[in-house]
Amino acid sequence: DTGVSQDPRHKITKRGQNVTFRCDPISEHNRLYWYRQTLGQGPEFLTYFQNEAQLEKSRLLSDRFSAERPKGSFSTLEIQRTEQGDSAMYLCASSLLWDEQFFGPGTRLTVL
Amino acid sequence: TQLLEQSPQFLSIQEGENLTVYCNSSSVFSSLQWYRQEPGEGPVLLVTVVTGGEVKKLKRLTFQFGDARKDSSLHITAAQPGDTGLYLCAGDDRGSTLGRLYFGRGTQLTVWP
Repeated sequence: DTGVSQDPRHKITKRGQNVTFRCDPISEHNRLYWYRQTLGQGPEFLTYFQNEAQLEKSRLLSDRFSAERPKGSFSTLEIQRTEQGDSAMYLCASSLLWDEQFFGPGTRLTVL
Repeated sequence: TQLLEQSPQFLSIQEGENLTVYCNSSSVFSSLQWYRQEPGEGPVLLVTVVTGGEVKKLKRLTFQFGDARKDSSLHITAAQPGDTGLYLCAGDDRGSTLGRLYFGRGTQLTVWP
């Protein structure tokens, strides 16, 4: 399977803990996006990389959130000091330049 | 504030019926995508429309992009239970936002056998 993969698929954590999610894009795709989706809403943009450079961040991405794509391949999204409001589905997508974005299966985060 | 408004929010129909869902905005988009999402999974791309007035067909699904590139519709003919899912439209504004997608809230479609 050469689609976008995300790990873990589910994460349950206690408030105040740190969590890290991983996204592996389609291999030749140079753009990688992170989105967040809460119940009853469409995905909302968080941040975007072109190769290893983080080019845009949403105001939704507070200082507790950090994303990296160190070698221009996989990416990680870390949330520090999680809050209950962080509970959501975190989606990763990848694309070739201006082409369509293909999404991974998502990581469902539950903060207790 | 949602840039893209989708209607209806929920749609429950019997197998064999036809339906249309709408995606409207006051903004112009470079392109518009339609995705379908199953519970607990990521969105799966169905189609991209780029040219104002464009119509694309995918088996029983017909997608149309408005002439002004601000709105779109999805028409399903003879719906089947396998069509059940959350249908999301997403706009791409390449001019100012380097390709980020703006999503609507989606239309939750349930097709009963």
